[in-house]
Amino acid sequence: DVKVTQSSRYLVKRTGEKVFLECVQDMDHENMFWYRQDPGLGLRLIYFSYDVKMKEKGDIPEGYSVSREKKERFSLILESASTNQTSMYLCASSPGSLTWEQFFGPGTRLTVL
Amino acid sequence: DQQVKQNSPSLSVQEGRISILNCDYTNSMFDYFLWYKKYPAEGPTFLISISSIKDKNEDGRFTVFLNKSAKHLSLHIVPSQPGDSAVYFCAASYSGGGNKLTFGTGTQLKVEL
Repeated sequence: DVKVTQSSRYLVKRTGEKVFLECVQDMDHENMFWYRQDPGLGLRLIYFSYDVKMKEKGDIPEGYSVSREKKERFSLILESASTNQTSMYLCASSPGSLTWEQFFGPGTRLTVL
Repeated sequence: DQQVKQNSPSLSVQEGRISILNCDYTNSMFDYFLWYKKYPAEGPTFLISISSIKDKNEDGRFTVFLNKSAKHLSLHIVPSQPGDSAVYFCAASYSGGGNKLTFGTGTQLKVEL
């Protein structure tokens, strides 16, 4: 079974703090994604990566950055957290060209006070 | 610009009856569609998919129908069970889109006893 893990289930941070969200997948997948889920807005893509050290902006990259130094790990960074970044953050991975199916982690509920 | 829309935020159905969840899209380049199911505090899990070369795909109690001319797809669950109560997201992608998925806003399905 594909397993995607996220470093924290719940996180509370203060405005202006730098926040790191970590995601690890164990299936040697090429692609990794970061989404945020908000009521009434569905899942929106923040950033994705096709390979180590490669990254591409999704639909809502403002205020975020990412890092992929190893194939299995994809980090989302909030350089200076703001209250409008309070959300559920979901990481996903997919094997690449053979399928569009993405496998999701359990999510991190981030609250910025 | 919401390219994938789920116009019903919620749906309530009695156990044993049919649940029909709808999804509309605007981008005619989309050629692959997926449905995901999400329980609270868990990541979305893949349910069923359909390629644009088909108009129907069936997997057990779940059937997805695609009407390309109307840019509409629907998910039928028959018979509905209480364990089907969850949020359902439709998602779309296109060849050359780099495995990116565009998600709808979700429909909360409640199956009542």
